[in-house]
Amino acid sequence: AQTVTQSQPEMSVQEAETVTLSCTYDTSESDYYLFWYKQPPSRQMILVIRQEAYKQQNATENRFSVNFQKAAKSFSLKISDSQLGDAAMYFCAYRRKDDKIIFGKGTRLHILP
Amino acid sequence: EPEVTQTPSHQVTQMGQEVILRCVPISNHLYFYWYRQILGQKVEFLVSFYNNEISEKSEIFDDQFSVERPDGSNFTLKIRSTKLEDSAMYFCASSATRDRDFRPQHFGDGTRLSIL
Repeated sequence: AQTVTQSQPEMSVQEAETVTLSCTYDTSESDYYLFWYKQPPSRQMILVIRQEAYKQQNATENRFSVNFQKAAKSFSLKISDSQLGDAAMYFCAYRRKDDKIIFGKGTRLHILP
Repeated sequence: EPEVTQTPSHQVTQMGQEVILRCVPISNHLYFYWYRQILGQKVEFLVSFYNNEISEKSEIFDDQFSVERPDGSNFTLKIRSTKLEDSAMYFCASSATRDRDFRPQHFGDGTRLSIL
């Protein structure tokens, strides 16, 4: 069975600085999708960035980028120029071929002014 | 941008009562999902639904749970006889497709279910 591990329950970063959130996963599938979702205090789930496993190029969305290492089964999220609005719980997620999403336990990110 | 909408945002129910959580997926989406998140824990998959039937369900989704797409626009989750441990945030999600032409799952804002 697939698992997603986020080893950092909480992190803090100074406003305008860069922070990297870690995620590792375990799977025997070769074709899958990976995501980072953001959950602010309002509790809604917002898709931040996605990565198709068959693509070697790391995905980028404005200030958000990933470091996808398929062989190492690692999928970290880098947030550049951190803003106060980035404060949230961040979930790493793996989407299986049957479409089920497996979530990590989350990393709570604090932005320090 | 189209959104998945969920109602109500907060539902308070007595233990043992039936509750129905409602979702309106994005209109051209074909795949529908329910997830739940117990406070302080990770988001867990409950069920996926396609072509008017359940395509996948987790061990959490027992006989007390059911899903329905009653009218072509709503997607509901019913809990027949609620228990205290059903208290959680329930998220609905939808996606246009699950094949190689990838589309992500879009989540609603969630319904907070409190069982008293």
